[in-house]
Amino acid sequence: RKEVEQDPGPFNVPEGATVAFNCTYSNSASQSFFWYRQDCRKEPKLLMSVYSSGNEDGRFTAQLNRASQYISLLIRDSKLSDSATYLCVVNRGGNTPLVFGKGTRLSVIA
Amino acid sequence: DGGITQSPKYLFRKEGQNVTLSCEQNLNHDAMYWYRQDPGQGLRLIYYSQIVNDFQKGDIAEGYSVSREKKESFPLTVTSAQKNPTAFYLCASSPLRDSGNTIYFGEGSWLTVV
Repeated sequence: RKEVEQDPGPFNVPEGATVAFNCTYSNSASQSFFWYRQDCRKEPKLLMSVYSSGNEDGRFTAQLNRASQYISLLIRDSKLSDSATYLCVVNRGGNTPLVFGKGTRLSVIA
Repeated sequence: DGGITQSPKYLFRKEGQNVTLSCEQNLNHDAMYWYRQDPGQGLRLIYYSQIVNDFQKGDIAEGYSVSREKKESFPLTVTSAQKNPTAFYLCASSPLRDSGNTIYFGEGSWLTVV
């Protein structure tokens, strides 16, 4: 089992739709979690950290379920500019390097 | 402006040649990383360094070498021993004391073997 797994997609959704991505991780000792966004042929950029209580930033909501070892990202009212690959990232702790999922590709269609 | 600078952005290499990709950061970050990304694939860790004059192998270190003589700099050499070097190379850094070790990336370098 891969340490961080994501559905690769692509998810093709119309503008204004709500879309959710899930990510599972295998190491129960993992301590912190992030969602990164990567545009085509660009570097990944931090979208948001994921906190145990869940957190929201505008149209984006991230949730963490430690018991089931999964993280989710919800995007409401999708925009064309949301089209990108979304990377789930996990920190095992102890200053070890972050572990990246392979990403889920989203295409928002007019 | 603070950030991570990679150069060159595009590089063509003949088979059998070594090439060095530069990575400089002025964020005063302790840790630096090199990742490789192939088309449609995720990021794979090549090498990382958490302190000057020390570095660790990642998942795919064979055919690569690094040095960390200064905190700001972490160059990556792609040697002729790397059989399939054509890829997108990303340098990153993080402040180890930061909660969760958030990582920041440079703009990447595209290496093509011709």
